[in-house]
Amino acid sequence: EVQLLESGGGLVQPGGSLRLSCAASGFTFSSYAMTWVRQAPGKGLEWVSAISGSGGNTYYADSVKGRFAISRDNSKNTLYLQMNSLRAEDTAVYYCAKDGRVTLDLYYLDYWGQGTLVTVSS
Amino acid sequence: EIVMTQSPATLSVSPGERATLSCRASQSISSNLAWYQQKSGQAPRLLIYGASTRATGIPARFSGSGSGTEFTLTISSLQSEDFAVYYCQQYNNWPPCTFGQGTKLEIK
Repeated sequence: EVQLLESGGGLVQPGGSLRLSCAASGFTFSSYAMTWVRQAPGKGLEWVSAISGSGGNTYYADSVKGRFAISRDNSKNTLYLQMNSLRAEDTAVYYCAKDGRVTLDLYYLDYWGQGTLVTVSS
Repeated sequence: EIVMTQSPATLSVSPGERATLSCRASQSISSNLAWYQQKSGQAPRLLIYGASTRATGIPARFSGSGSGTEFTLTISSLQSEDFAVYYCQQYNNWPPCTFGQGTKLEIK
């Protein structure tokens, strides 16, 4: 059974940093690209960042480029999102999600974690 | 960046009736479109990928169609558990893999 469990969310002041983690199990982690998607309170889904299975390719939304860094440790089956220079508009539930296919491209997201809430406020 | 536009924003339908949700891409995305269902307080769930292929465990009353720029999600006979928010997502041109703004399906 595929399981994705996010952690690391919390309250942080504007300009601060936070690192999210996503522990994966139930599939060959290193074979799949992984994605972070966020959802601001009462709003829709926003694609944030993705990383290839090997970790060699990373992708970002313009809204977070230069501030966020995605990475993975395939030996620990864990995905990360390092968030720096946080702003109020980064407040959201952050979901990690597994890509639906074993390829170098990005596809649909077939499994999602339950999310972790990040609140940026003074 | 490809912009995904969903309509309507809110759809009111009675249980047992058919619901039709639309998604339009700002440029052609072939059939590289997915639909997700999100219930209140829960993570999204994959319903459809490749515009028309049901994901594992998804009931047959859910169907997807379309290609290019126009797509439709149809729920043939609404059950109580189907009332939720539905999102489309393109994965043809990335980054980013953009989502639509969502359609809220509510009980009439």
